[in-house]
Amino acid sequence: DAGVIQSPRHEVTEMGQEVTLRCKPISGHNSLFWYRQTMMRGLELLIYFNNNVPIDDSGMPEDRFSAKMPNASFSTLKIQPSEPRDSAVYFCASRKGDYYNSPLHFGNGTRLTVT
Amino acid sequence: DQQVKQNSPSLSVQEGRISILNCDYTNSMFDYFLWYKKYPAEGPTFLISISSIKDKNEDGRFTVFLNKSAKHLSLHIVPSQPGDSAVYFCAATSRSSGYALNFGKGTSLLVTP
Repeated sequence: DAGVIQSPRHEVTEMGQEVTLRCKPISGHNSLFWYRQTMMRGLELLIYFNNNVPIDDSGMPEDRFSAKMPNASFSTLKIQPSEPRDSAVYFCASRKGDYYNSPLHFGNGTRLTVT
Repeated sequence: DQQVKQNSPSLSVQEGRISILNCDYTNSMFDYFLWYKKYPAEGPTFLISISSIKDKNEDGRFTVFLNKSAKHLSLHIVPSQPGDSAVYFCAATSRSSGYALNFGKGTSLLVTP
């Protein structure tokens, strides 16, 4: 089991640039989540998918953020244009089944720095 | 609006003693609670959970207690070990919220030799 794989591990970009974060969930998992971690807000849910369909994107901060899941094994989180306040660690997590009480499996995160 | 609160940002405990991490929640609809552990440069990993129909769940050195009337849960680690030094996140969810976990901001535990 390779676990949830996120790329890149680190991303440094200038304000105004487009940033794309990538996630490969664990094979067989059908729910995928994007979280953002900051000192001020802790771990906050941005969006989650079930069977590749976005279920709740109310946590996406602004229209500058978008997420896609074109198939069961890949998802992207895009920020365009990026701003310094987007600097954070972005985590992707996946879960098997529709059980609301099943634990999430997290990737190791992407540390984004926007200068 | 933080529905899950961990009011202690950090905790330091001596090796061999008990570590108690606390968590409060505001949403009475939450019916399942989880603790995650996070090491630096890694993602959170699941540690232990409890359903609202129980008031205690134990797994080895880790025990979670739930007090529904107080909307409070705690994680006890006995005995604490240096390898337990990490950030611990409390999370809560409900059937009505579908699939989402609401996390607290975390408590950084340091276990000293």
